[in-house]
Amino acid sequence: KAGVTQTPRYLIKTRGQQVTLSCSPISGHRSVSWYQQTPGQGLQFLFEYFSETQRNKGNFPGRFSGRQFSNSRSEMNVSTLELGDSALYLCASSLGLAGRHLNTGELFFGEGSRLTVL
Amino acid sequence: AQSVTQLGSHVSVSEGALVLLRCNYSSSVPPYLFWYVQYPNQGLQLLLKYTSAATLVKGINGFEAEFKKSETSFHLTKPSAHMSDAAEYFCAVSDRNRDDKIIFGKGTRLHILP
Repeated sequence: KAGVTQTPRYLIKTRGQQVTLSCSPISGHRSVSWYQQTPGQGLQFLFEYFSETQRNKGNFPGRFSGRQFSNSRSEMNVSTLELGDSALYLCASSLGLAGRHLNTGELFFGEGSRLTVL
Repeated sequence: AQSVTQLGSHVSVSEGALVLLRCNYSSSVPPYLFWYVQYPNQGLQLLLKYTSAATLVKGINGFEAEFKKSETSFHLTKPSAHMSDAAEYFCAVSDRNRDDKIIFGKGTRLHILP
């Protein structure tokens, strides 16, 4: 069974540009969560999508957005990039909503997309 | 809202020594608790999880954790450290029966000394 696939793995952008990251979940998983990982801050929750609907959102500015397609693949977009957006962006999939009882919350992570903003 | 605190951003232990990584949580309802491990240049993978069955949970690679409600703790231990255990470890919490997100601690980087 293929794992979670994130593309691209590495990318470099300049301030003011925008970026789109892609995540393909494990087959059969309907939930995709996105996290931003930076040194010292750990993993910060961006948002979660389930059945093409955003179900949870973290405390990030509106420049960060996402969507989910009918095949459960997800994209996240960051517009007007800032230096502080440099980070590893992790996608995780789960069978159901990440925090729900039936699912017990296990997340399966991709290897991440490392974004560097110059 | 739930939260997680991991004591110590870096922990060093000698090979063969006991590993103890500390995690305290805050949750308004009985939580689900998790430990994840991240090896260099990889995503996170689940080590173990507590979902209200036995309070002592055994995971992969010889790790285990004990849920202590009175102390709101879920510390991770391994009796004998191995060089391959060098990685970053994350404690995470989610509220049961709620449509809520999983919150991660800031992580503890484990260094193994030869």
